[in-house]
Amino acid sequence: DTGVSQDPRHKITKRGQNVTFRCDPISEHNRLYWYRQTLGQGPEFLTYFQNEAQLEKSRLLSDRFSAERPKGSFSTLEIQRTEQGDSAMYLCASSSPDTQYFGPGTRLTVL
Amino acid sequence: GQQVMQIPQYQHVQEGEDFTTYCNSSTTLSNIQWYKQRPGGHPVFLIQLVKSGEVKKQKRLTFQFGEAKKNSSLHITATQTTDVGTYFCAGPPNDYKLSFGAGTTVTVRA
Repeated sequence: DTGVSQDPRHKITKRGQNVTFRCDPISEHNRLYWYRQTLGQGPEFLTYFQNEAQLEKSRLLSDRFSAERPKGSFSTLEIQRTEQGDSAMYLCASSSPDTQYFGPGTRLTVL
Repeated sequence: GQQVMQIPQYQHVQEGEDFTTYCNSSTTLSNIQWYKQRPGGHPVFLIQLVKSGEVKKQKRLTFQFGEAKKNSSLHITATQTTDVGTYFCAGPPNDYKLSFGAGTTVTVRA
């Protein structure tokens, strides 16, 4: 499979716990994006990497959120001290340069 | 900031009928992209429009970019059950991130 992959596909956690998601982009894509999608809404931009550099973070990304892309390959998104409001689908996309291809997403449920 | 609005939010269509969904931006767009998300799935890229007044067709789907590059439309002819899903338009406020509309969710009556 040469598409964008994300792991895990589903995550259920208790409020206050930390969670980490992984995204593996299409191999030749140097741009990687994280979005969050809630029910009935379109994806909302969270952050963007060009190679290993994180070039923009949305105001939606509070201090509890951190993203990394070491070596410009896969990326991780960590949420610390999860809150019920963090429950959503977290989507990763990659592009080279413009058209963004989305992964299957990680559905997070915070109890 | 840029806002992308889509109407209608829901479209209930009789199989075989045509329908159109519309996308409007508060600012001029360099390009507009359309995605389809099936129930339980993730957004899948359909097409990108770049030029003012551009029209592109994919089988029964016709995409149009407005002359002012602030609006776009998607017209589907002879709707089929495979057309079920949510159609999103998205415009880039800069050269990388996308601002998505809330989508038009399409259901089809057989």
